[in-house]
Amino acid sequence: EDQVTQSPEALRLQEGESSSLNCSYTVSGLRGLFWYRQDPGKGPEFLFTLYSAGEEKEKERLKATLTKKESFLHITAPKPEDSATYLCAVQAPTGGGNKLTFGTGTQLKVEL
Amino acid sequence: EAQVTQNPRYLITVTGKKLTVTCSQNMNHEYMSWYRQDPGLGLRQIYYSMNVEVTDKGDVPEGYKVSRKEKRNFPLILESPSPNQTSLYFCASSLFPRDTEAFFGQGTRLTVV
Repeated sequence: EDQVTQSPEALRLQEGESSSLNCSYTVSGLRGLFWYRQDPGKGPEFLFTLYSAGEEKEKERLKATLTKKESFLHITAPKPEDSATYLCAVQAPTGGGNKLTFGTGTQLKVEL
Repeated sequence: EAQVTQNPRYLITVTGKKLTVTCSQNMNHEYMSWYRQDPGLGLRQIYYSMNVEVTDKGDVPEGYKVSRKEKRNFPLILESPSPNQTSLYFCASSLFPRDTEAFFGQGTRLTVV
């Protein structure tokens, strides 16, 4: 059974204080690892897809990396508007394809 | 604007009263799915559809039905809702079943009393 574990559950940072969120996974035949951002009262919003170990992707202050067992979402010099819950999900071959197994998320709060 | 639209956004109902949550996407996506989100459990897939008239169960299908008569619409039906179906529901769509990002709706918060 595919499993995704995210840590920490919650993280409080000062503006400009860089940090990393972790997503460790167990999956048979990873097809892709996805990062989503979710704001309160809204649906998840796509950030990145990583396909193979060693791959990295960046978007503004966010950088996602992937190894064979985990992914990191690095946040450099965060701002209050980066406050959100960050979700990690893995996609693996199933009968129906594109089933995403989600972690429970890291709730990030960036303070002035 | 590309979007997935769910209705209603909020719904309070009583046990046993049939209800339907609608989902519509304007991106001509083949693949659509329903998730429920519960504290401590994350997002779990209820049902998915590969294309028109093709649907299948996800991880937590009990108590739910779906239909896909048109490509753009994928309603979620609760024939006899129970309190354990109180949750936040999301519809999602993607261009293909695999390897593509999913676009999510804004969510429907359902309370069954």
